[in-house]
Amino acid sequence: EAQVTQNPRYLITVTGKKLTVTCSQNMNHEYMSWYRQDPGLGLRQIYYSMNVEVTDKGDVPEGYKVSRKEKRNFPLILESPSPNQTSLYFCASSSDREGETQYFGPGTRLLVL
Amino acid sequence: EDKVVQSPLSLVVHEGDTVTLNCSYEVTNFRSLLWYKQEKKAPTFLFMLTSSGIEKKSGRLSSILDKKELFSILNITATQTGDSAVYLCAVEARGDAGGTSYGKLTFGQGTILTVHP
Repeated sequence: EAQVTQNPRYLITVTGKKLTVTCSQNMNHEYMSWYRQDPGLGLRQIYYSMNVEVTDKGDVPEGYKVSRKEKRNFPLILESPSPNQTSLYFCASSSDREGETQYFGPGTRLLVL
Repeated sequence: EDKVVQSPLSLVVHEGDTVTLNCSYEVTNFRSLLWYKQEKKAPTFLFMLTSSGIEKKSGRLSSILDKKELFSILNITATQTGDSAVYLCAVEARGDAGGTSYGKLTFGQGTILTVHP
């Protein structure tokens, strides 16, 4: 089954404790992206990657890092989480063919205390 | 800075009504406009529009893009309670690498549609 998986689905952590949210897709997609969703602000893109070792900043990259060492994985790293990073995070992927659907993962709900 | 504005922010209708959702945008190096439906989970893709004036249809949903006036509309006819959701509009800018890959996506705030029986 074609899918994007994220782990963990729910996470409560404390300020300053490094964490990684994993994202994996099994569709051999070139493009992957991370978003955060906050009430009243909609979905905002954090980082995106157009292929292995090719990443670029979205609208809200501050406080986040990403890496794309393999095509299927695109982890999101919070080196020193802060309470303003409490949010719902989505990973998405798509192929680079014109008109292809973007598939979203199920979401990771993060609470930083 | 790229910007996407959706209206209305919220809409309440009865089953059978027709609704029109609006999306206006300002983006540098436009590549495409996308519509998504989000219920209590991840967004699901509805349409991708790249050319002006060509309507895309899927059942009771249709959408059209006007690249000159920088807006798009999403129409839903004969609404059903299952159409209740947040509808998101996003605009894609072409990535720095060019080509056919997705680039940067900017989303609007969404329109909350509630359909009553």
